[in-house]
Amino acid sequence: AQSVTQPDIHITVSEGASLELRCNYSYGATPYLFWYVQSPGQGLQLLLKYFSGDTLVQGIKGFEAEFKRSQSSFNLRKPSVHWSDAAEYFCAVDTTDSWGKLQFGAGTQVVVTP
Amino acid sequence: DGGITQSPKYLFRKEGQNVTLSCEQNLNHDAMYWYRQDPGQGLRLIYYSQIVNDFQKGDIAEGYSVSREKKESFPLTVTSAQKNPTAFYLCASKTGLNQPQHFGDGTRLSIL
Repeated sequence: AQSVTQPDIHITVSEGASLELRCNYSYGATPYLFWYVQSPGQGLQLLLKYFSGDTLVQGIKGFEAEFKRSQSSFNLRKPSVHWSDAAEYFCAVDTTDSWGKLQFGAGTQVVVTP
Repeated sequence: DGGITQSPKYLFRKEGQNVTLSCEQNLNHDAMYWYRQDPGQGLRLIYYSQIVNDFQKGDIAEGYSVSREKKESFPLTVTSAQKNPTAFYLCASKTGLNQPQHFGDGTRLSIL
């Protein structure tokens, strides 16, 4: 069965600094990969997705992610964080053998300091 | 604007009571999903439906029930058999295979 690991439960970053959130997955074939962001008390918003092709994908709000097959990773990055980026971030894996049963990581809480 | 509407935003359940959470979408999506979110556990799938009048159990279906009588609607009932219902419930939908899921704003359920 597929699984998703986000090793960092909590990250604190200064405004203007770079951010990288880690995601590792376990799946036999190339999965479909997503990053979502959740503000407190809200639903999840899609930041970006990877299905195939170019391994560096661009998303909304200045985020990008890189798929590395050899490391089974899909890390999310942003060159310069803004205070509004404080939120919880979820990595998710979808597989082609079922109707989109997403497997989520436990999430990474990002705190942005002045 | 198209989207997913969940209601109510907050819901309280008494002991032995069934409660129903509403999820409506006007995106013309075929598939709909219910997730439960607890702190530190990410999202866990309760039920999902690919088409009208058909649905499947997810990973934590015990104590929950659903129906899919219309394409736009996928209500979730939290029954009295669910002994720990306090959580944040999220509804999602997608248009087809290889497409991302879109989420509503959630319903927070608490026990009185």
